[in-house]
Amino acid sequence: EIVLTQSPATLSLSPGDRATLSCRASQSVRGYLAWYQQKPGQAPRLLIYDASYRATGIPARFSGSGSGTDFTLTISSLEPEDFAVYYCQQRSNWPLTFGGGTKVAIK
Amino acid sequence: QVHLVQSGAEVKKPGASVRVSCKASGYTFTSYYIHWVRQAPGQGLEWMGVINPNPSAAGTTYSQKMQGRVTLTRDTSTSTVYMELSSLRSEDTAVYYCARGRTTGESNWFDPWGQGTLVTVSS
Repeated sequence: EIVLTQSPATLSLSPGDRATLSCRASQSVRGYLAWYQQKPGQAPRLLIYDASYRATGIPARFSGSGSGTDFTLTISSLEPEDFAVYYCQQRSNWPLTFGGGTKVAIK
Repeated sequence: QVHLVQSGAEVKKPGASVRVSCKASGYTFTSYYIHWVRQAPGQGLEWMGVINPNPSAAGTTYSQKMQGRVTLTRDTSTSTVYMELSSLRSEDTAVYYCARGRTTGESNWFDPWGQGTLVTVSS
């Protein structure tokens, strides 16, 4: 099973700041990584797939990069609605697995 | 507009089974895989399995951890997928989500998601 490790666990930032979230895989997942956003009491929402492609309706301030074992989600300038938990997920190998999440909190 | 609407919350005793439904609308039901993901209280996301709703194709893949306890089925006449989990234990208390594959065919990115169903296992 591929283990995805996300860091940091919590990121405390202010609106307008740049957020950089990391996801590291225990073995290569090539480019088969996605990012999801989850707000309290809501289902997750797909943001980025195949490492760098924005899902439908996702604002351009969200971007993804990386390949192999190291990936990054960047939010260029945090909006109030971006404070949430973010998960990475791989589809390179069965079983599909998620990282443990990074909470982006208001400083 | 694509919608996945799940059945309501359940309370079950240890050892029992639970069945959660996921009714799809707004797209061709048989063209997109449906996945199930669960989330224990305050915890992360865990993938459980996937079903191909196309009755003429191969059916399901399960997480090895859930194998033997989870069964996914489909009813194409009502565009509904069912997730049944048996031999429930307290650790199965979680919100259970269905989610559609992002594109037609085998797609293992989840978009969109159902609203979630809370299953509580308690004696």
